[in-house]
Amino acid sequence: GENVEQHPSTLSVQEGDSAVIKCTYSDSASNYFPWYKQELGKRPQLIIDIRSNVGEKKDQRIAVTLNKTAKHFSLHITETQPEDSAVYFCAASKGSNYKLTFGKGTLLTVNP
Amino acid sequence: SAVISQKPSRDICQRGTSLTIQCQVDSQVTMMFWYRQQPGQSLTLIATANQGSEATYESGFVIDKFPISRPNLTFSTLTVSNMSPEDSSIYLCSVEGAPGITDTQYFGPGTRLTVL
Repeated sequence: GENVEQHPSTLSVQEGDSAVIKCTYSDSASNYFPWYKQELGKRPQLIIDIRSNVGEKKDQRIAVTLNKTAKHFSLHITETQPEDSAVYFCAASKGSNYKLTFGKGTLLTVNP
Repeated sequence: SAVISQKPSRDICQRGTSLTIQCQVDSQVTMMFWYRQQPGQSLTLIATANQGSEATYESGFVIDKFPISRPNLTFSTLTVSNMSPEDSSIYLCSVEGAPGITDTQYFGPGTRLTVL
């Protein structure tokens, strides 16, 4: 089955800096890669996703890149703010009606 | 996105008892899933709740321990049976296939279960 590795497990940055979280996946049939943000005590919330026919996607300060050949994808957050502090999970699936396989998560701390 | 609710939001239960968690969506959805999130850990899929047929369980999870129902396209239940302290966790349902949205999963607020 699919295996998703996520690094780093913790990341601490200063406010205004950029943060990058990287994930690799094992199943070449995976074609959908969402990122979720989970604040303490809250549900995971989708922040951005990318499909295999696209190499990069941006939404304001957040971007995701995908390298299908290398089977890795990354989350980039620019101009970080304290409210970006949370646990971020990457995931992979084969698309509609297929399960998501999650990485182990990255605890991002943005220091004011 | 769909509006998803779960009941109860939290519970404290005694060892050996069972708890049924409900997941309700405000629109018909194609897929419903149940996840477990142990403290400080990632999300692990328990099973896919299939409407009108038996749930599909992931490796390590069995129907006798986690029976699931899905009587229609907006509702599902997960029962945690014969509980032990190791079952203490957050249980989340997620849905996919809300109107106008495909292959994106949205999560319910979760049920925080403590087993004494």
